[in-house]
Amino acid sequence: EVQLVQSGAEVKKPGESLKMSCEASGYSFTNYWIAWVRQMPGKGLELMGVIYPGFEPQVIYSPSFQGQVTISADKSVSSAYLQWSSLKTSDTAMYYCARLPSSGARPFYFDYWGQGTLVSVSS
Amino acid sequence: DIVLTQSPISLAVSLGERATINCTSSQSLLYSSNNRNSLAWYQQQSGQPPKLLIYWASIRESGVPDRFSGSGSGTDFTLSISSLQAADVAVYYCQQFHTSPLTFGGGTKVEI
Repeated sequence: EVQLVQSGAEVKKPGESLKMSCEASGYSFTNYWIAWVRQMPGKGLELMGVIYPGFEPQVIYSPSFQGQVTISADKSVSSAYLQWSSLKTSDTAMYYCARLPSSGARPFYFDYWGQGTLVSVSS
Repeated sequence: DIVLTQSPISLAVSLGERATINCTSSQSLLYSSNNRNSLAWYQQQSGQPPKLLIYWASIRESGVPDRFSGSGSGTDFTLSISSLQAADVAVYYCQQFHTSPLTFGGGTKVEI
């Protein structure tokens, strides 16, 4: 059974750093893209970026998130990560990881989703 | 970036009636390699992560009830729910995977 299990909710102050995780199981981790998707309170879905954790990892950031976050992966523990060096109050949101089947370097749709990690940033 | 515009923003449908959601793309989503359209539909129930319903515009994901169907080609797509059930109350999103960055429509809220 494919599962994506995300780390727990976080309460942070502006300026603090954060690294959240998404642990995959039930499939070959290096054969699928993993995405990070933001959902701000009461709003829609926004793709932050995708990572292909294969032999030569590839990361593609959506333009709005380039330089704002870092996406990484560790094949040894089948996990993907999303991190911030300095959080803002506007980073308050639910963050989902999701798996994407693909054709080589071309990710497609999101077929499995994590349960979400809620981040609250407030002074 | 490809912009997906969903309509309506919300709709109320009686139990057992048909619900129709539209998604219009700013560019054609036809994928020349397989002659299919690079569009997916998701359902997000309150407090839950999204769930994949339809991909390649019309292929139903395994386990999705057959009252859900997707149609359309090029720039205009439709998600139909043939006989609305209480469990179908949710927000529905379309998503294109034709061109990076992958983008979502703004969502359509379906209520009873």
